[in-house]
Amino acid sequence: DIVMTQSPLSLPVTPGEPASISCRSSQSLLHSNGYTFLNWYLQKPGQSPQLLISLSSDRASGVPDRFSGSGSGTDFTLKISRVEAEDVGVYYCMQALQTPLTFGPGTKVYIK
Amino acid sequence: QLQLQESGPGLVKPSETLSLTCAVSGGSISSSNHYWGWIRQPPGKGLEWIGVIHYSGSTSYSPSLKSRVTISVDTSKNQFSLKLSSVTVADTAVYYCSRYSGTIGWFDPWGQGTLVTVSS
Repeated sequence: DIVMTQSPLSLPVTPGEPASISCRSSQSLLHSNGYTFLNWYLQKPGQSPQLLISLSSDRASGVPDRFSGSGSGTDFTLKISRVEAEDVGVYYCMQALQTPLTFGPGTKVYIK
Repeated sequence: QLQLQESGPGLVKPSETLSLTCAVSGGSISSSNHYWGWIRQPPGKGLEWIGVIHYSGSTSYSPSLKSRVTISVDTSKNQFSLKLSSVTVADTAVYYCSRYSGTIGWFDPWGQGTLVTVSS
């Protein structure tokens, strides 16, 4: 199984300031087709997870452009350029290169 | 827009079978490019993938649950279902259903989730 890790696990943020979350996989998520199968999800308090980023850097429809994903191979980053209060919640990375599909442990983002 | 809604008993006794259904609206479950999946989240914990199914009936399950899981699809009702047998308290979780892209590998959208508690 591909093991996903995230850091930090808890992230206090200040509205208007940038924030960054790291995700690492135990093996490369690069497929032979050239795509990297890494997704980011946000689970807001009391809600279901929502897709933010797919294929490492593709923003999902309707996701604000303050969210950006980057990375390749085994190291990935989700960045929020200017945090807003509505961005609080738990962020998960997920690998979709192979089954079993696996998620990172989550990073809880909260307002300082 | 596509919406998914989970339904089923909120309480299941240990050793019995958990059964949930996910109704899909706003789109057809018979999409060749998509699968339909189940993910669960124990209270206060992270996300665990259970499995996916294609409308053709092709399935893929988590190895850790494979011996107890069955996912089926009913295209006439535009819904798919989850059965998890021989449940224990460790199976207590919020169960989510979602659409899965077989080509890009994302889950989107997700249902609202349903809490299933295993208790006698």
